[in-house]
Amino acid sequence: AQSVTQLGSHVSVSEGALVLLRCNYSSSVPPYLFWYVQYPNQGLQLLLKYTTGATLVKGINGFEAEFKKSETSFHLTKPSAHMSDAAEYFCAVSVYDMRFGAGTRLTVKP
Amino acid sequence: DADVTQTPRNRITKTGKRIMLECSQTKGHDRMYWYRQDPGLGLRLIYYSFDVKDINKGEISDGYSVSRQAQAKFSLSLESAIPNQTALYFCATSDPGPPHTDTQYFGPGTRLTVL
Repeated sequence: AQSVTQLGSHVSVSEGALVLLRCNYSSSVPPYLFWYVQYPNQGLQLLLKYTTGATLVKGINGFEAEFKKSETSFHLTKPSAHMSDAAEYFCAVSVYDMRFGAGTRLTVKP
Repeated sequence: DADVTQTPRNRITKTGKRIMLECSQTKGHDRMYWYRQDPGLGLRLIYYSFDVKDINKGEISDGYSVSRQAQAKFSLSLESAIPNQTALYFCATSDPGPPHTDTQYFGPGTRLTVL
């Protein structure tokens, strides 16, 4: 079955610094990959997704992710963190059904 | 008004009680899902339904059952609640794209505590 591993349950960055959240997947067939964000006391919402085509995917709020098949990775980046980016981020892989990673909590320091 | 609503938002119950969590959506989507979220484990799929006549087990369906009463309604039941079913439960719907590529839209969650 497909699975996702998110490296680092907590990441802390300063405002204006690069955000890098790591995600590696395992799948025996070409996967579809997603990043979702969860703000406090809310449900998840889609940041971006990779299905086919261009491997660099741009999402909302300045986030982007690159699908690297050779590395089985789909890391999420943002050039400059903002205080409003503080949230929990989930990577997910979908083949037969959706499987989520354990999540990475992002803290942004002023 | 929210597109995906869940009731109740919070529930405390006792071991052995039957509990029903309800989900309604106004997005007109055929596909609906139930997940549970546990700290350090992310979200895990309990059941999903691709239309009113279709029900499928997810990764962790034991101890749960579902009912798809209409396109807009999908209920999750715990027939006899146990403490390790204490979790945050999310309902989601998805748009009618190719299967497994669709974006999911989540409700606000139901926090269930089983004593």
